[in-house]
Amino acid sequence: DAKTTQPPSMDCAEGRAANLPCNHSTISGNEYVYWYRQIHSQGPQYIIHGLKNNETNEMASLIITEDRKSSTLILPHATLRDTAVYYCIVRGRGGGATNKLIFGTGTLLAVQP
Amino acid sequence: NAGVTQTPKFRILKIGQSMTLQCTQDMNHNYMYWYRQDPGMGLKLIYYSVGAGITDKGEVPNGYNVSRSTTEDFPLRLELAAPSQTSVYFCASSPGTSAPARNEQFFGPGTRLTVL
Repeated sequence: DAKTTQPPSMDCAEGRAANLPCNHSTISGNEYVYWYRQIHSQGPQYIIHGLKNNETNEMASLIITEDRKSSTLILPHATLRDTAVYYCIVRGRGGGATNKLIFGTGTLLAVQP
Repeated sequence: NAGVTQTPKFRILKIGQSMTLQCTQDMNHNYMYWYRQDPGMGLKLIYYSVGAGITDKGEVPNGYNVSRSTTEDFPLRLELAAPSQTSVYFCASSPGTSAPARNEQFFGPGTRLTVL
């Protein structure tokens, strides 16, 4: 699995968009970008994933650059409940060993009132 | 659905004691996983299973054992507890489809284990 690089921490004002960057310069063509978050003391929660097109769901948007070497997770209107550690993970499709998630240390997003 | 449940929530062990962390899922998922998370760190995979009767090692399997006799249950066994095993343990499950679908992992609430 490709390694990812994320800033250790970010701040965001409540109600504003939070943009969390992730670098994955060694990603291969069949690897997906996944985002999970972990609110304090809880188990991680899936947010979104994508291959090469931009994706949007009820929680967030995922923007992947054309060369696929980086991506940005966007929380359009951050709330205090979005304060969490956000993990960017790259992994292959399919089951078995390729379904493993390799967690780094993520980005601690602090939403300020 | 209850999702993924883990017991106990907290446990304190003495060095050398043994215990089993329980994990159950009611989503009929094929794949199940055990992770540990040390303070300030990301999660590390201990063991995983792709179906009943099939298990395999993850990144940090030493000191642990698992079994998967049913689809629903995936217990983690610590035979000789050591202080280095003080951590938060998370169990997770996923459908395990090979299609490029969402195939997200669903996590339990965790077990906080302290070995003294």
